[in-house]
Amino acid sequence: DIQMTQSPSSVSASIGDRVNITCRASQGISNWLAWYQQKPGKAPKVLIHAASKLQSGVPPRFSGSGSGTDFTLTITSLQPEDFATYYCQQGNSFPFTFGPGTKVDLQ
Amino acid sequence: QVQLVESGGGLVKPGGSLRLSCTASGFTFSDYYMSWIRQAPGKGLEWLSYISSDAITVHYSDSVKGRLTVSRDNAKNSLSLQLNSLRAEDTAVYYCVRDRGYYFDFWGQGTLVVVSS
Repeated sequence: DIQMTQSPSSVSASIGDRVNITCRASQGISNWLAWYQQKPGKAPKVLIHAASKLQSGVPPRFSGSGSGTDFTLTITSLQPEDFATYYCQQGNSFPFTFGPGTKVDLQ
Repeated sequence: QVQLVESGGGLVKPGGSLRLSCTASGFTFSDYYMSWIRQAPGKGLEWLSYISSDAITVHYSDSVKGRLTVSRDNAKNSLSLQLNSLRAEDTAVYYCVRDRGYYFDFWGQGTLVVVSS
């Protein structure tokens, strides 16, 4: 199985900050990577797929990069509604696996 | 708009079984793969199963293989999950999700299953 790791596990940030979250796969997954945002009590919402493709309706302050084993989710100019937990997920091979999550909270 | 509505959650005794249903609307259900994903309280996301649009291909996570059966009825726009021999660690919110082959673009609201005596 492909293991996904994320760093940091949590980050404290302020409104307007730039936030980078890193995701690493235990083996190469090309660009078969997605990022999700989850708020408490809610279902996750996809932000990015294919490593860098912005899902329809997602604000352009979210961006993704990377390929192979190393990926980054960047939030430029953090907004109040962005405080949430973020997960990466590999779709290269079954079983699909998620990273453990990165919680972004208010500094 | 796309809607996925899960039902069937609740309190189940250890060793028992659960059957969850998901009703889809707002899209042509028969055109899409579907998956089930769960999330234990306070924990991360765990993919459980994938079913192809024609129900011919099904994949299961090793963590539930042998206990989990997933099916779909395209005529009724419905997806089902049956999990047997329930354990405390099966306690989770179970999500029905639309699967785009390598990511999940729409999620249901989830249904909570609690395994406890």
